[in-house]
Parts: sequence; C-alpha cells; structure tokens
Amino acid sequence: NAGVTQTPKFQVLKTGQSMTLQCAQDMNHEYMSWYRQDPGMGLRLIHYSVGAGITDQGEVPNGYNVSRSTTEDFPLRLLSAAPSQTSVYFCASRTGTNYGYTFGSGTRLTVV
Amino acid sequence: DAKTTQPTSMDCAEGRAANLPCNHSTISGNEYVYWYRQIHSQGPQYIIHGLKNNETNEMASLIITEDRKSSTLILPHATLRDTAVYYCIVRVATGSNYKLTFGKGTLLTVNP
Repeated sequence: NAGVTQTPKFQVLKTGQSMTLQCAQDMNHEYMSWYRQDPGMGLRLIHYSVGAGITDQGEVPNGYNVSRSTTEDFPLRLLSAAPSQTSVYFCASRTGTNYGYTFGSGTRLTVV
Repeated sequence: DAKTTQPTSMDCAEGRAANLPCNHSTISGNEYVYWYRQIHSQGPQYIIHGLKNNETNEMASLIITEDRKSSTLILPHATLRDTAVYYCIVRVATGSNYKLTFGKGTLLTVNP
C-alpha cells in the first residue's frame, strides 16, 4: 500500500513548455484533489474530482487541466508553463465524507 | 466556510503536552473542524476532526467548546518529530463533496 504517489519530485521547465504532473493512489479512494503551495499563501485548491470521469475547478484552475479516466490516477497538466506557476504541488485523496485526506509528498516545480 | 484564527507560533518542551488553540467564532452548525499538520517539505498529514463532541485517536485529542466557537488540539506527549505547522480548518459538507481551505497555521516547535 503505497498511498498517494506523485512524480516527478522535482522539475524545471522553461516558459511556454507543457508537462504533466502524475498522481496515483492505490487505496481505491473516490475523491482526489490537486493543491499548490506558495510561500506565505498556504495551500490553494486547483482542481478536484469526486470519481472517475468527474472533475471540477477549485480556487486557482487557470493554466491547468485535469482528467480522471480511472479511480487510481489524477494527472495535472500545465498547458503553457509560466513563472507564476513555480510552486510545490500536492495531490491528495480520500474516501467518504467523514475521512481526512491523504497527501502525496509533492512535486517541486520551477518555471524559468 | 468559516474562518479560523490560530497563533502564528508556539513552543513546547519535549515530553509535555502541546495544546494548540483555534478560534472559529463564525462556525455553522453543519461545519466540521479538521486538523492537519505539515512537517517541513512534506505533504500535509491528517490528524483528527470533529463536529460537536471531543474526539481522540492515536495521534491527538480534539476538544471543542460547547458553543463550538473554538477548539484545542492536544498532543499528549510531544516529541521532536511533532515539530510542524498545524492547520485548523473548518469545512462544510455539500453532499459528499467538500473542499479544504488551508490558512497559515501554527508553527509548533518542540524543544529538547
């Protein structure tokens, strides 16, 4: 039982490049979310999913796309990277209403 | 969701109880109180949550005042590994879907 696995752990992109941050969980959790964490800002919700095939926007969705084709995977796509997207990205999952989220260890992204 | 107020930082001696306060004076009757913590450079970790009654698990106890306007997270025997930022979060459940809004939290430093 690996929990929530995020890859890569570190990434440097050039402005305008695209990439996908991977997130996988092996706990059969229905709910998955992506957050970004910037210094002094706390964690902000980007996108979330309540099950396979269902996604919705969070607080800061612009510049990001998500899809949920399987229960296990919830990739986050950066369409055209910008320096403002330099951040630490966390994926999280949970099951049921009355449970806490399990977070991954994060992807540290730098856009130059 | 109701806003929360936490002290910016606290210190605690190793082996002693750490009591972390949180004010949520605008909390509504259907809003839960959640606690997470984030050890440096790691993903947040779920600790405990409650609605009205006090709760206890293997990590901590949560004491919620009768009027629910404040709560206290208690780590009964703090260790150096408990040094982290602790987040108090109030969330409302809309069906089975809810979002967490992280503030800046309390930096707890456990000293030897």
